[in-house]
Amino acid sequence: SQTIHQWPATLVQPVGSPLSLECTVEGTSNPNLYWYRQAAGRGLQLLFYSVGIGQISSEVPQNLSASRPQDRQFILSSKKLLLSDSGFYLCAWSVLSGNSLNTEAFFGQGTRLTVV
Amino acid sequence: ILNVEQSPQSLHVQEGDSTNFTCSFPSSNFYALHWYRWETAKSPEALFVMTLNGDEKKKGRISATLNTKEGYSYLYIKGSQPEDSATYLCASHGSGNTGKLIFGQGTTLQVKP
Repeated sequence: SQTIHQWPATLVQPVGSPLSLECTVEGTSNPNLYWYRQAAGRGLQLLFYSVGIGQISSEVPQNLSASRPQDRQFILSSKKLLLSDSGFYLCAWSVLSGNSLNTEAFFGQGTRLTVV
Repeated sequence: ILNVEQSPQSLHVQEGDSTNFTCSFPSSNFYALHWYRWETAKSPEALFVMTLNGDEKKKGRISATLNTKEGYSYLYIKGSQPEDSATYLCASHGSGNTGKLIFGQGTTLQVKP
C-alpha cells in the first residue's frame, strides 16, 4: 500500500535561518507531488508541484524553493526564513490513472513551522 | 490563474439539520473537481473526485453534484452529526492534464449536539 512520510511534525526556527522539510512517498512510482501551506486563518495555498524528477513548478513568488532529487522525494527549502513563512505545510501526492488525473490526492501529516 | 471559491466560509448548524456548501471554479479547461474533509489534527481526506458534467456522487449522508458548464459544485450533508464537524475543501485541476491542483479556502462546519 502507498504511504507518505513528512517530517518534522513541528519546527521552531529563528528568522534568517535555513529550512529543509522532507516528504517521501512509498508504494507508488512517478507520482505528482505537491507542497501546500496553510497560513493562519486561510485555506491551502499551492506552493510547488512536480510531475517528475527535476520538474518543479512554482506557483507563488516567495522565499521558498523546492527540489525533487528522486522520484518519490520532495524537499521544501529556504536559505533564510522570514516571519511570514510561519504556517502549516502539507505535502501531498497523486498519480495518473490511465491517462487521467481524476484520482484523489493523499496528504502527509503536515509540519507546523513557527518562525521567531 | 485558477481561482476556486467556496462559500460560506463557516457554518454552524444543529445536530440533525441538513446543510450544503458551494464551490465555484473556472469552467474553461476544466479537468476534475475534488472534495476533501479536513478534521482538526488530521490530514485532509478525499470524499469525492468528479469529472463529468451532471455527475452526482454519494457517500453515506454526504453527496455532491457537479456542473462543469457553469463552474460550480455543491456538497450536501443530510442529517448533520457532531462528527461531521470539519473543514470541507474543494479543489480543481486547471488547464487540462497539468497536475496542478488548486484548493478553495474551505468551509468550516460546526455541528452542535
